[in-house]
Amino acid sequence: GAGVSQSPSNKVTEKGKDVELRCDPISGHTALYWYRQRLGQGLEFLIYFQGNSAPDKSGLPSDRFSAERTGESVSTLTIQRTQQEDSAVYLCASSLAGYGYTFGSGTRLTVV
Amino acid sequence: RKEVEQDPGPFNVPEGATVAFNCTYSNSASQSFFWYRQDCRKEPKLLMSVYSSGNEDGRFTAQLNRASQYISLLIRDSKLSDSATYLCVVNGEGYQKVTFGIGTKLQVIP
Repeated sequence: GAGVSQSPSNKVTEKGKDVELRCDPISGHTALYWYRQRLGQGLEFLIYFQGNSAPDKSGLPSDRFSAERTGESVSTLTIQRTQQEDSAVYLCASSLAGYGYTFGSGTRLTVV
Repeated sequence: RKEVEQDPGPFNVPEGATVAFNCTYSNSASQSFFWYRQDCRKEPKLLMSVYSSGNEDGRFTAQLNRASQYISLLIRDSKLSDSATYLCVVNGEGYQKVTFGIGTKLQVIP
């Protein structure tokens, strides 16, 4: 597609439930990032995929968080047993070899 | 030391003022640099790349100082619509992971 697409745009879930967030990057973009942004805060790096290399998971805050990406296509971020502190906007960005990062409009997650 | 450091502000400036932000980076091997703009409750968007020789886009000027390892963004004749958070972005060569700064908040007041 023309841009990075994220779904759902908004998600309200009950504490303890699992959620899955989806990112559809720009076609041909080899790099894909997930970030978390809490209200009024900066971007918090979560995970980085580059082609078929092993992902950089150094930013994942706990083992409740996981992400997958098959090749250079769609990525899913899964949060298990959600907690209230997981409430944030989850942003996905893609780029081609480190140039021109394009963000999706994000998924606003609210855990009640 | 953080990989990329920015003063979070806020910078409150009157319309028409000139304002400058700096961003320092720790990795001397960093290759490419960008400024992004993020409006409230929106995703970040590319404002401009930063070239070694410095570059200008209308009222915006970006500069790189490799010796001191910082980049800067100068905004002249500030407009109300410039109010946003400005994110500094630093990248290594090719496939290295990009690093975003925390952002500097600018508020232009009438």
